[in-house]
Amino acid sequence: AQSVSQHNHHVILSEAASLELGCNYSYGGTVNLFWYVQYPGQHLQLLLKYFSGDPLVKGIKGFEAEFIKSKFSFNLRKPSVQWSDTAEYFCAVNANYGGSQGNLIFGKGTKLSVKP
Amino acid sequence: EPEVTQTPSHQVTQMGQEVILRCVPISNHLYFYWYRQILGQKVEFLVSFYNNEISEKSEIFDDQFSVERPDGSNFTLKIRSTKLEDSAMYFCASSSSTARSEDTQYFGPGTRLTVL
Repeated sequence: AQSVSQHNHHVILSEAASLELGCNYSYGGTVNLFWYVQYPGQHLQLLLKYFSGDPLVKGIKGFEAEFIKSKFSFNLRKPSVQWSDTAEYFCAVNANYGGSQGNLIFGKGTKLSVKP
Repeated sequence: EPEVTQTPSHQVTQMGQEVILRCVPISNHLYFYWYRQILGQKVEFLVSFYNNEISEKSEIFDDQFSVERPDGSNFTLKIRSTKLEDSAMYFCASSSSTARSEDTQYFGPGTRLTVL
């Protein structure tokens, strides 16, 4: 069965610090990978996704993620965080095959708190 | 930008009662999903819906659950006889018409269901 692990439950950073949030998945086939963000009081929004091509994916608000197939990883990075990046970040995966309905398997989420 | 909306934002019910959670997906989307998140746990897939029928469902989605698209705009999740363990945040999502697994799913703000 597919599963997603996010190793950090809560990360606290100061503004301008660099961010890396870990995500590993377990699945034997081809996958699509997503990072969603949930700002306080708001709904889940897509930050970025990977489904094929360049394994380094750039998303909104200066975020990027790198798919490393050999490590089953899709870590999220940002070189310099801002207070407004305070949110919960969710890694998700779905199976990439014909007939797949795209049901997402989520990690448990990582809360990011950025101190001004 | 179009958004997925959900009502109510919070529903409190007694154990054994029926509840209906409502969602209005983005208007030109064709795939619809329900997910739930029990407090402190992962977001979990419940069911996907396409062309007026269930496409896929998880083992959580037992006979107590049903989904419907009654009027071409609303998408509802019904729980026939609620249990304490149904207390969770329920998220609706929709995605567009290309029927590819990498399509972005757009999430609603969620309905918090509390079963007493």
